[in-house]
Amino acid sequence: DQQVKQNSPSLSVQEGRISILNCDYTNSMFDYFLWYKKYPAEGPTFLISISSIKDKNEDGRFTVFLNKSAKHLSLHIVPSQPGDSAVYFCAASEDAGKSTFGDGTTLTVKP
Amino acid sequence: SQTIHQWPATLVQPVGSPLSLECTVEGTSNPNLYWYRQAAGRGLQLLFYSVGIGQISSEVPQNLSASRPQDRQFILSSKKLLLSDSGFYLCAWSPIRGETQYFGPGTRLLVL
Repeated sequence: DQQVKQNSPSLSVQEGRISILNCDYTNSMFDYFLWYKKYPAEGPTFLISISSIKDKNEDGRFTVFLNKSAKHLSLHIVPSQPGDSAVYFCAASEDAGKSTFGDGTTLTVKP
Repeated sequence: SQTIHQWPATLVQPVGSPLSLECTVEGTSNPNLYWYRQAAGRGLQLLFYSVGIGQISSEVPQNLSASRPQDRQFILSSKKLLLSDSGFYLCAWSPIRGETQYFGPGTRLLVL
């Protein structure tokens, strides 16, 4: 049973518009959530995170929202840029250091 | 600053041959270490993680094994590779009791 799900395998957005990537989880013990960005043939890089005691965390163009009651989090990128085109992984942790990853969403930002 | 190295970058191996992938971390002590595999079009599957020298936890049954002979060295091995072992292998580290993981550049393994 997959505990972290990213139901949209791909998303295409026009440059300058908002990108919204979604993630759902089933384990109520998860208390820390992360987003990673991955380019082809490279390792993922950490993007932004949020603790379960918060419902929003913002870093520049990136904002993560957490809805604990719905077991849902989302990553907003505003404005989207062509360089944001990559695979985005959602991850959740209940035990410091050990995370469960979703399958990823491929974001394409069109110029 | 901390850096993580993986080698080789690409490997083509015949079925039934052995495997050894190495990962080393610099600039930190006593990190948690992880091995992941990403199959084509899929997410990251955690294979092994280690919280200290000689301490290895396996997440999925398979013909792979891991070892941590030194604090900042993590090795992924197999005695006999299967076709299904093909994929992109990633090593990662995190600070002890830290959530954020830092990934290496990965090794692309093709088993023929």
